[in-house]
Order: sequence, then structure tokens, then C-alpha cells
Amino acid sequence: ILNVEQSPQSLHVQEGDSTNFTCSFPSSNFYALHWYRWETAKSPEALFVMTLNGDEKKKGRISATLNTKEGYSYLYIKGSQPEDSATYLCAFRGNQGGKLIFGQGTELSVKP
Amino acid sequence: EPEVTQTPSHQVTQMGQEVILRCVPISNHLYFYWYRQILGQKVEFLVSFYNNEISEKSEIFDDQFSVERPDGSNFTLKIRSTKLEDSAMYFCASRGRGGGEKLFFGSGTQLSVL
Repeated sequence: ILNVEQSPQSLHVQEGDSTNFTCSFPSSNFYALHWYRWETAKSPEALFVMTLNGDEKKKGRISATLNTKEGYSYLYIKGSQPEDSATYLCAFRGNQGGKLIFGQGTELSVKP
Repeated sequence: EPEVTQTPSHQVTQMGQEVILRCVPISNHLYFYWYRQILGQKVEFLVSFYNNEISEKSEIFDDQFSVERPDGSNFTLKIRSTKLEDSAMYFCASRGRGGGEKLFFGSGTQLSVL
């Protein structure tokens, strides 16, 4: 059974703090690793799709790294803002079929 | 920006009733998906659809479930005889041709089976 785990489950930080979370996924049969940002009552929104070992992607204050050999990805948020408050989901896609296997998410709360 | 739309946003039904959840994917997308999240659990894959047929389905997607793309724009999920355990947030998603492309999700239909 393929399993994707995220940690921590939740995180409470102050505005301006930098933070990071982890996604662990199977290191075999890897095709892609997705990160999504999901605000309450909205659609999950794609942040990054990463496919190559050593990939680093950046979007504003948010960046992500990928290690496919050991099966982990980090998501970093620099200088957190209240509008960053959301659940961050990672999802693994294997090389057979297009389905995504999701982690349980990290719920981030940024206090002003 | 184009978006995936889902209707209704909430659906309440009695156990044993049929429900149809509707989705309008992004118009030039080719791959279509249904996922769901039971409260407190992970988002889980139900089914993928490409070229007018199911390309992959999970063990959850049994004979009670079906999908259809009746008119080239809508993509529907039907549950024939709902069970209490079908209560969940159901998400439709679509993507374009590229293998590494991100999914575009709708905002979900919250299904409550009483």
C-alpha cells in the first residue's frame, strides 16, 4: 500500500516567522510530487509539481525541494503572513497511472 | 483564469437514494478525476476518465458508482444507492495533456447521507 505522510499535522506561527513542513512518499516508482494549498471553502490550488530529484521550485515566498531517492519533499514559507493560513497538501504520483495519493495535510495558522 | 465548477455545493440525501454530482471541467482539458475526503481522513482517489472511458479506478469505486461525460462539457459522478459512509466532500479535478501537469480542482460538493 502506497503511503504519503506529512508533518507536522498543524502549525501555529506568528506573522513574519519562517516555517517548513515535510512530505514523505515512496522512493520507488516515482513520477511526480505535487504540492497544493487549500483554503477553507475554496478549491485546492496547485503550488508546485516536481518531477526531478534535486528539483527546487519557488513561487514568491514559498519554495519546495525534492529528494526522490530518499522519498521526501520540504515546503518552506519565508516570512509567513496571515493570508498564508491554509492546509498544505502534498500528493505522490507513481509511474503507473495518473492518480494522486495524498498526505493528510499540514494545517498552517499564521497569527498577526 | 479558467476554473472547474461543481454543483451543488451541498447535497443532503437519504440512505438508499441516488445522487448525481456535477462538474464542468476546464474546456480544453483531457483528463478528469473524482476524489473525495471523508471528514478527518486523507483526500482519496476515486476514478480517472480519459478519452470517454474510465482509465483507472480505486477499490472504493464499486458498482454503486459511475461516471459520465454526457455532452463534452459536463462530467458527472453518480452514486446509485447511497450509504452513510458515502458522506464526504467530493472533488472534481481536471488537467491538460502534459504528464507532469497540475490538477485543477473544483471547490467540492459536500454530500451528507442521513
